[in-house]
Amino acid sequence: NAGVTQTPKFQVLKTGQSMTLQCAQDMNHNSMYWYRQDPGMGLRLIYYSASEGTTDKGEVPNGYNVSRLNKREFSLRLESAAPSQTSVYFCASTSGGGGRDTQYFGPGTRLTVL
Amino acid sequence: DAKTTQPPSMDCAEGRAANLPCNHSTISGNEYVYWYRQIHSQGPQYIIHGLKNNETNEMASLIITEDRKSSTLILPHATLRDTAVYYCIVRDPGGTSYGKLTFGQGTILTVHP
Repeated sequence: NAGVTQTPKFQVLKTGQSMTLQCAQDMNHNSMYWYRQDPGMGLRLIYYSASEGTTDKGEVPNGYNVSRLNKREFSLRLESAAPSQTSVYFCASTSGGGGRDTQYFGPGTRLTVL
Repeated sequence: DAKTTQPPSMDCAEGRAANLPCNHSTISGNEYVYWYRQIHSQGPQYIIHGLKNNETNEMASLIITEDRKSSTLILPHATLRDTAVYYCIVRDPGGTSYGKLTFGQGTILTVHP
């Protein structure tokens, strides 16, 4: 049981390049999330998927797109990277339901846009 | 989700109890208090959560005041590995937030030898 996995762990892009961050969970969770964390800041929600087939914008969605490929996988795409998107990106999942849902986070992808 | 207020930093001696406070004076009846922590460069880790009763698990204890306007996370015997940023989050798991967590600045806990 690997929990939440993310690839790649590190990435350097040039301004204008595109890339997709991959996230997968093996806990049969319904909901998945993408957060970004800038230096010295708390996490901010980019997009989330409450269940397979649905996605919704979070707090800071501009410049990103997401795909909930199946129940296990939730990808984040940067179509035209900008230096302001330099950040650490975390994926998370939760089973949802009542007060007992807790989020499990992946190890993060450290992205630098030059 | 209700806003929370935490001190920006705290220190604790190794082996002593660490008591991390959180104010959430606008909490509503359906909102739970959750605690997560983030050890340097890692993804956040769930610690504990509660509604109105005190809670304890293998990691920590959560004490919620009777009026629910504040809470305290207690790490009973802090170790160097407990040095981290601790986030107090209030949310209604049954609401329309779909499990979204709103992270504030948190409290940087430094455990000293």
